[in-house]
Amino acid sequence: GEDVEQSLFLSVREGDSSVINCTYTDSSSTYLYWYKQEPGAGLQLLTYIFSNMDMKQDQRLTVLLNKKDKHLSLRIADTQTGDSAIYFCGGGYGGATNKLIFGTGTLLAVQP
Amino acid sequence: GAGVSQSPSNKVTEKGKDVELRCDPISGHTALYWYRQSLGQGLEFLIYFQGNSAPDKSGLPSDRFSAERTGGSVSTLTIQRTQQEDSAVYLCASSLMTDTQYFGPGTRLTVL
Repeated sequence: GEDVEQSLFLSVREGDSSVINCTYTDSSSTYLYWYKQEPGAGLQLLTYIFSNMDMKQDQRLTVLLNKKDKHLSLRIADTQTGDSAIYFCGGGYGGATNKLIFGTGTLLAVQP
Repeated sequence: GAGVSQSPSNKVTEKGKDVELRCDPISGHTALYWYRQSLGQGLEFLIYFQGNSAPDKSGLPSDRFSAERTGGSVSTLTIQRTQQEDSAVYLCASSLMTDTQYFGPGTRLTVL
């Protein structure tokens, strides 16, 4: 089955850029997603990228997809303390059931 | 408009008891998903409902877990004879067909 891996922890200083990485094993994902989970809250959709795209930019967020290496990254420019959260990457497979396969999540800690 | 809501937000139960968790999806969303987030684990797909089709139950961990969706809207996840390893946050998501999933805040289940 699909396996999605992320590093568990990333610490950055406020104002710096953050890069959260994700690797996956199954290349049949139709979409790849980034969700954010703040303490005690559910998952908030941040952005997604179609599998036929290499890059997507949305304000401070840049998603890069390297299909050859099965690598997905999320770059947050000018990281703020409010960006502190757990970030999950996930693959959706469309079809009859678009269940999402998630990584374990990366805890981003932003130091003031 | 209203997002996905779940109740209760927290549930503490004794081992061996049955619990019911409720999910109200976004109005008009035909697809509904249940996921489980265990401590130190990623998010695990449990079950998927789409309209009147037979649900995809491939992620349910044991026959103690069941779910139903009445009238194509509200869903209830039932865990019978709860065990301590069932302690987790149970997340519900809904989507239009198999489009982007929007998550509720989750129900934190603690089995003593």
